[in-house]
Amino acid sequence: DAKTTQPNSMESNEEEPVHLPCNHSTISGTDYIHWYRQLPSQGPEYVIHGLTSNVNNRMASLAIAEDRKSSTLILHRATLRDAAVYYCIPTSSNTGKLIFGQGTTLQVKP
Amino acid sequence: SAVISQKPSRDICQRGTSLTIQCQVDSQVTMMFWYRQQPGQSLTLIATANQGSEATYESGFVIDKFPISRPNLTFSTLTVSNMSPEDSSIYLCSVEEGQSYNEQFFGPGTRLTVL
Repeated sequence: DAKTTQPNSMESNEEEPVHLPCNHSTISGTDYIHWYRQLPSQGPEYVIHGLTSNVNNRMASLAIAEDRKSSTLILHRATLRDAAVYYCIPTSSNTGKLIFGQGTTLQVKP
Repeated sequence: SAVISQKPSRDICQRGTSLTIQCQVDSQVTMMFWYRQQPGQSLTLIATANQGSEATYESGFVIDKFPISRPNLTFSTLTVSNMSPEDSSIYLCSVEEGQSYNEQFFGPGTRLTVL
């Protein structure tokens, strides 16, 4: 399983963009990069995933480095509801198992 | 998206006893997983629940301690056996609807306290 490195914590102001980095230098060529988040007292929820190209959805954007050794989750306008632990997870295309690291705790200030 | 319920939502148990946690999905799903989240920690995958066959356990987890059943495509149980205070955790099930490994949906969790 690929190892990931994420900042332990980050802060943002409400309605400002947030860039959450992740290093996954040992990622396999066929692993997807998934991002999940866990709001307080809830189970994790899917945010976005990608393989090689940058991806956009209604929640966020995912920018993947050309060498795939790192990626950045972009929240375009942070809200108070976005305060959560964000997990970057390289995922095997063979098993689909999610191996969670420690994640980044995002605080959003009003 | 799949809707997942877990029973019980929480329980307080005595050491040495066992607790069975149920995970019910409102639609048929291909993959079901069980996770543990110890206090203040990230999630740890316990096992993949396989329909009609034995579960596939991750390193550090064994069937005798965490027996899992999956009798059909919408239901699974996890039993925490011979509990000790170290088993106090939130236990979550998750499901994958297709086989494209795109998105997993998580249940609300079962908060277990062992005294």
